[in-house]
Amino acid sequence: QVQLVESGGGLVKPGGSLRLSCAASGFTFSDWYMSWVRQAPGMGPEYLAYISGSGNHIEYADSVRGRFTISRDNARNLLYLQMNSLRVEDTGVYYCVYPTREPENWGPGTLVTVSS
Amino acid sequence: DVVMTQSPLSLPVTLGQPASISCRSSQSLVYSDGNIYLNWFQQRPGQSPRRLIDKVSNRDSGVPDRFSGSGSGTDFTLKISRVEAEDVGIYYCMQGRHWPWTFGQGTKVEIK
Repeated sequence: QVQLVESGGGLVKPGGSLRLSCAASGFTFSDWYMSWVRQAPGMGPEYLAYISGSGNHIEYADSVRGRFTISRDNARNLLYLQMNSLRVEDTGVYYCVYPTREPENWGPGTLVTVSS
Repeated sequence: DVVMTQSPLSLPVTLGQPASISCRSSQSLVYSDGNIYLNWFQQRPGQSPRRLIDKVSNRDSGVPDRFSGSGSGTDFTLKISRVEAEDVGIYYCMQGRHWPWTFGQGTKVEIK
């Protein structure tokens, strides 16, 4: 069955960086667009970025454009989110999801806390 | 960005009674392929969101048939025919038509 498992979260100071990973299994990873979604404490989810199966088509939300980079390694079935210049408001649980427009599959999430 | 407005934000319900959640989008959600990318999610405390319904009214596998979705254009509704204790949680609508895809604020369903 489909499994998505995020990792890489933790506590980081404002201005710092983190790289999140999502290990995918149970489906043909390279066939699917993938997305990162985050949920701040007590808030609804928010889409951050998506990437096509080949990696050629990428879009970002305004809130992270220029600071975050989404990428993938189809040989290893891994999705990444490189997060730079982190802000306090980036705190939340980060999920990888697919399909992108109608996310049926979510991982358990990884918690990112940005605090001094 | 497309704004998804849900009401009510809090919904106390008696067990066995129906519940209804409204979701309104600030733009039409009809895509060029004719589909309407409107989803409903349930999030229980401490869990990841779980998709219940896609394309307005298609119930996901394993979702009880007491859940139903309807609507068109910009107005959508999620109904629970008879609320059970396991239905407690926060419900979100989400549009997948206009990037960035966006969620409503959430409706908290609780038992009276």
